[in-house]
Amino acid sequence: EVQLVESGGGLVQPGGSLRLSCAASGFTFSSYWMTWVRQAPGKGLEWVANIKQDGSDKYYVDSLKGRFTISRDNAKNSLYLQMNSLRVEDTAVYYCARDYGSGSYYPFWGQGTLVTVSS
Amino acid sequence: DIQMTQSPSTLSASVGDRVTITCRASQSISSWLAWYQQKPGKAPKLLIFQASTLESGVPSRFSGSGSGTEFTLTISSLQPDDFATYYCQQYITLGTFGQGTKVEIK
Repeated sequence: EVQLVESGGGLVQPGGSLRLSCAASGFTFSSYWMTWVRQAPGKGLEWVANIKQDGSDKYYVDSLKGRFTISRDNAKNSLYLQMNSLRVEDTAVYYCARDYGSGSYYPFWGQGTLVTVSS
Repeated sequence: DIQMTQSPSTLSASVGDRVTITCRASQSISSWLAWYQQKPGKAPKLLIFQASTLESGVPSRFSGSGSGTEFTLTISSLQPDDFATYYCQQYITLGTFGQGTKVEIK
């Protein structure tokens, strides 16, 4: 059974940093693109970033380039999102998702982790 | 960037109604479109991919159609479990979601 478990969320002050993790199990992690999607309170889904199987290609939504960094450790079956220079508008539930193949749609999602940026 | 626009934003309907949600892309995405259902406090659930292919385990009352820039999600007979928010997503270039359509009880 595919399982994705996010962690690392919490309360952080504006300008601060946070690193989210996503622990994957139940599939061959190194065979799939992985993605972060976020959802601000009461708002819609926003695609954030994705990373190729071997980490060699990474893509970001334009509005976040330079502040967020996606990475993965295939030996640990883990996906990460390093978030720097956080802003109030980054407050959201952050989901990790596994695609079907080659960066496509998402049959598998974690439960999400809440990041709150507030002073 | 490809923009996805859903309509309506909110839809009031009754059990048994036929419901249609529209999703428009700012440029052609062929059939690279998925639909998701999300309930409060839960992760999205994949319903349809490739514009019209039903995900395994999804009831047949859900169907999708369209190609190019215009797509629809139809629920043939709305059930109590279907009151939720629905999102379209293009995946021809990275991934962009529509803003969502909330289906509420009339």
